[in-house]
Amino acid sequence: NAGVTQTPKFRVLKTGQSMTLLCAQDMNHEYMYWYRQDPGMGLRLIHYSVGEGTTAKGEVPDGYNVSRLKKQNFLLGLESAAPSQTSVYFCASSLKPLSYEQYFGPGTRLTVT
Amino acid sequence: AQSVTQLDSQVPVFEEAPVELRCNYSSSVSVYLFWYVQYPNQGLQLLLKYLSGSTLVKGINGFEAEFNKSQTSFHLRKPSVHISDTAEYFCAVSVSYNQGGKLIFGQGTELSVKP
Repeated sequence: NAGVTQTPKFRVLKTGQSMTLLCAQDMNHEYMYWYRQDPGMGLRLIHYSVGEGTTAKGEVPDGYNVSRLKKQNFLLGLESAAPSQTSVYFCASSLKPLSYEQYFGPGTRLTVT
Repeated sequence: AQSVTQLDSQVPVFEEAPVELRCNYSSSVSVYLFWYVQYPNQGLQLLLKYLSGSTLVKGINGFEAEFNKSQTSFHLRKPSVHISDTAEYFCAVSVSYNQGGKLIFGQGTELSVKP
């Protein structure tokens, strides 16, 4: 099992450019999450999905969109990147919510200049 | 609203010394509590979790944590640390089924173990 994988690992964007981050999991998990990690702020939830075809907003959704067309994939899109979106992005998945462990991918380091 | 506060942003300690990383949370409802560890340039992995029952929880790599409901704390401890424990540690709570079981994280504590 590969667990949770993220593509790409690093990316540099210019302000206004768009990109899509891909998260894939091979554990047949229903729940998937996108977090961003910023120094001194821990991880904050951007969007999440409770199953194929469903998505919902987290704490900091502005400037991001997501899609979950297949159960194993969760895509995070930036339509018009801004310097404030410079961060490390982590995807996670979980079999069930609340008491179950979330499994994290290795992260994508994004820099917006 | 729920929140998590990790009281120390950095904890330097010598090898084989004991360590305690402090975590307090605020919530008006029952929560599930977690500690995750992040080694350099890696994702997070679960150290331990408290769901219910015994307030002392044992995790991987010799870590343990104690849930204290009256003080709303969930401090992480290890009696003797190794160089390999150098990492960032995150305390988190899981709340509200209606929010997808999202995790609310503390700010993180950088544990630096020196020889």
